[in-house]
Amino acid sequence: QLQLQESGPGLVKPSETLSLTCTVSGGSISSSSYYWGWIRQPPGKGLEWIGSIYYSGSTYYNPSLKSRVTISVDTSKNQFSLKLSSVTAADTAVYYCIRAGSDAFDIWGQGTMVTVSS
Amino acid sequence: AIRITQSPSSLSASTGDRVTITCRASQGISSYLAWYQQKPGKAPKLLIYAASTLQSGVPSRFSGSGSGTDFTLTISCLQSEDFATYYCQQYYSYLFTFGPGTKVDIK
Repeated sequence: QLQLQESGPGLVKPSETLSLTCTVSGGSISSSSYYWGWIRQPPGKGLEWIGSIYYSGSTYYNPSLKSRVTISVDTSKNQFSLKLSSVTAADTAVYYCIRAGSDAFDIWGQGTMVTVSS
Repeated sequence: AIRITQSPSSLSASTGDRVTITCRASQGISSYLAWYQQKPGKAPKLLIYAASTLQSGVPSRFSGSGSGTDFTLTISCLQSEDFATYYCQQYYSYLFTFGPGTKVDIK
């Protein structure tokens, strides 16, 4: 079945750019039936939607992060990516990549912890 | 953005208990509401979507109801593996939002 796997640095310095990739296996990222996105969870806290990207290429971002976020897709690699610029300690969190259809976020990656620290 | 509240924020229960968690949206979201279960150190798992539709593979002791602004998740007979944190989430708007979570622990 379809699986998602996040990858990227676990430690990022303040003011730098956090970059993560989600690799999709067991299915195609190009399906028009689904869209893809990122969720994060600071330690001991709740879930925060970061943004989503659709088959058409349209993107939607959390207004609180919009000025710093870019989500993109690489169909040739069956991957999608997250870039979050100008990070601070408040961006320390577990980052999850997700798949969604018309029925909420049905598949999640295992999550990757990213710490922002010098 | 649509705000989501949940109550209670935590509860203690025993195996076999019936548990109900409430979720309220700041505006009408029809039935565009999902429930997730998260265990420590794990990714959330989709339990229910469209307010009341059970995701494939989820035990039938879980059920959801509601529409508009008020929703509930019910666990009819709590099992040991159900001790976890539960989140609701609206997907009516493209600006998706989650509730703050309800932690269910052992009494």
